[in-house]
Amino acid sequence: QSALTQPPSASGSPGQSVTISCTGTSSDVGGYNYVSWYQQHPGKAPKFMIYEVSKRPSGVPDRFSGSRSGNTASLTVSGLQAEDEADYYCSSYAGSNTWVFGGGTKLTVL
Amino acid sequence: QVQLVESGGGVVQPGRSLRLSCAASGFDFSTYGMHWVRQAPGKGPEWVGVIWSDGHNKFYTDSVKGRFTISRDNSKNTLDLQMNSLRAEDTAVYYCARERGPWNGFDIWGQGTVVTVSS
Repeated sequence: QSALTQPPSASGSPGQSVTISCTGTSSDVGGYNYVSWYQQHPGKAPKFMIYEVSKRPSGVPDRFSGSRSGNTASLTVSGLQAEDEADYYCSSYAGSNTWVFGGGTKLTVL
Repeated sequence: QVQLVESGGGVVQPGRSLRLSCAASGFDFSTYGMHWVRQAPGKGPEWVGVIWSDGHNKFYTDSVKGRFTISRDNSKNTLDLQMNSLRAEDTAVYYCARERGPWNGFDIWGQGTVVTVSS
């Protein structure tokens, strides 16, 4: 049950795109289509942003998209806006009824 | 509206016990798997455990096995986390979260309740 690996920080200017990676193994990210992403503002609970690698729940802007290549999942935020500044976490089902999260990426909008 | 509200957090000495509760509303609680997720200060979330919708199956992360127990009462729409033999490393914000579908992420979260284990 090792944590997924995310870069500690990412940044971009308003209107630009930024991609955050999430690296796991074939036992989690690469082995199941159950990768999800969460946005967390300071002092708030995480918010569900992406599920099943690339699907968006209703209400999440289409500026947010997910993808995966092998054991690495990615979250892309296009057309950056000031309100996108937050911490982002990935999570994956890891088999045997266990789940694992990433360490988080702090996204700064310059 | 769909809502989860945790309660029961506080300051507790190492080795003691604490029971957290989560009250659900606005959805058919009995049909969803429910999780506890915790987040230590300045860290990413850590999955703690899950209880299936019928309450018959429960699974935990290794670090809490044998110390924490998840239970639910589908008649009262409540989820509980009994935490025994608490350690300093259990200090965190504890969230209850709804599972969107089997193995499929956590779509609804509570506001969290703070647990501090300290002498």
